[in-house]
Amino acid sequence: QVQLVESGGGVVQPGTSLRLSCGASGFTFSHYAMHWVRQAPGKGLEWVALISYDGGKKYYADFVKGRFTISRDSAKSTLYLQMNSLRTDDTAVFYCARDDGFGDNFLGGVDIWGQGTTVTVSS
Amino acid sequence: QSVLTQPPSASGTPEQRVTIACSGSSSNIENHYVYWYQQLPGTAPKLLIYRTNERPSGVPDRFSGSKSGTSASLAISGLRSEDEADYYCVAWDDSLSAVVFGGGTKVTVL
Repeated sequence: QVQLVESGGGVVQPGTSLRLSCGASGFTFSHYAMHWVRQAPGKGLEWVALISYDGGKKYYADFVKGRFTISRDSAKSTLYLQMNSLRTDDTAVFYCARDDGFGDNFLGGVDIWGQGTTVTVSS
Repeated sequence: QSVLTQPPSASGTPEQRVTIACSGSSSNIENHYVYWYQQLPGTAPKLLIYRTNERPSGVPDRFSGSKSGTSASLAISGLRSEDEADYYCVAWDDSLSAVVFGGGTKVTVL
């Protein structure tokens, strides 16, 4: 079945780095744009980044520009989020999600979500 | 401050109809599909409505989505206790070149 499984979360200190991974299965990963979405404790959902089906286009929320980098490896059917200069307000559950569009036509909405991985930034 | 504006809460008694509004602009809702998600406590969000008014298989027809101009809405008819959850609207925004979320609406069944 279609599945997304995140990993790489943990407890880190402010100013450090962390890389999240998301393994995809049950669909042709290289055909879909992919997203990262996060949710801070007790807060709403917040979009983080989007990468096109071929990795050629990347979009970021203003609050992560210059600190986070989204990437993908289609040979491994894996999505990544490299997070640098982490701050305490980056503490959140991070979800990997598949875009509802196909190929070069991403739509911005997601149809499949992972279960999330928790990132805690604390000194 | 979310780009898409939703009421923080909505409520109704069982079997009532509840509507959640999502207000945006010409750079998002008016010219793009709207998506709605349901999130139960402690769980990942679930797709409820896609492409403004389509329901995924398995989602009851009590849930419906619509759009008019720069606003969208989610209607829940025949409200049930299991509908108690947070609901979010989402759309692509051309001006920001970003996905924008509403702040979420907590639905309570009285």
